[in-house]
Amino acid sequence: AQTVTQSQPEMSVQEAETVTLSCTYDTSESDYYLFWYKQPPSRQMILVIRQEAYKQQNATENRFSVNFQKAAKSFSLKISDSQLGDAAMYFCAYNSNSGYALNFGKGTSLLVTP
Amino acid sequence: NAGVTQTPKFQVLKTGQSMTLQCAQDMNHEYMSWYRQDPGMGLRLIHYSVGAGITDQGEVPNGYNVSRSTTEDFPLRLLSAAPSQTSVYFCASSYGPVGSRGYTFGSGTRLTVV
Repeated sequence: AQTVTQSQPEMSVQEAETVTLSCTYDTSESDYYLFWYKQPPSRQMILVIRQEAYKQQNATENRFSVNFQKAAKSFSLKISDSQLGDAAMYFCAYNSNSGYALNFGKGTSLLVTP
Repeated sequence: NAGVTQTPKFQVLKTGQSMTLQCAQDMNHEYMSWYRQDPGMGLRLIHYSVGAGITDQGEVPNGYNVSRSTTEDFPLRLLSAAPSQTSVYFCASSYGPVGSRGYTFGSGTRLTVV
């Protein structure tokens, strides 16, 4: 089974600064998808960004971007110009092209300080 | 268009009781899944379905039962509740293979077993 590892249980960033959340995964497949989800205190799971493994270009969504390193099996999330509303749990997730569900990491709690 | 609706939002059960967590979606999604979220553990897959009449086990299926008689509904049954099943439960759905767009999540059910 594929495993997803988030090695940073907690991270902190000052407002307007940039922070990078780490994620590594283990797979023998060549075709797969990677995701970052945000879970604010409301508990709602919100899709932040999605990356297709066959695309070399890193995905971006406004202030959120990823650094996808396929050979290293690394998928980090960069949040630029951090805002107080970015404070949340962030989950990295993996889906193989033949899989029916997402495999999630254990999450990183992001604190944003004024 | 309500998305994914989970009921109830909160529930307290006594050990040994049974109950059903309801999940309904109105987006004509074929793929549906149940996850549980525990502190420090991320989201773990309980059961999933790729269409009406088709279900399969995930990572942590023991003590849970599912069925999928319609595209819209995917209830999760706890057969005999145990304190170890105290958790937050999420239902999620996807229009096609999960990798294509990711999941849409419900707002979760917080279950406490005493």
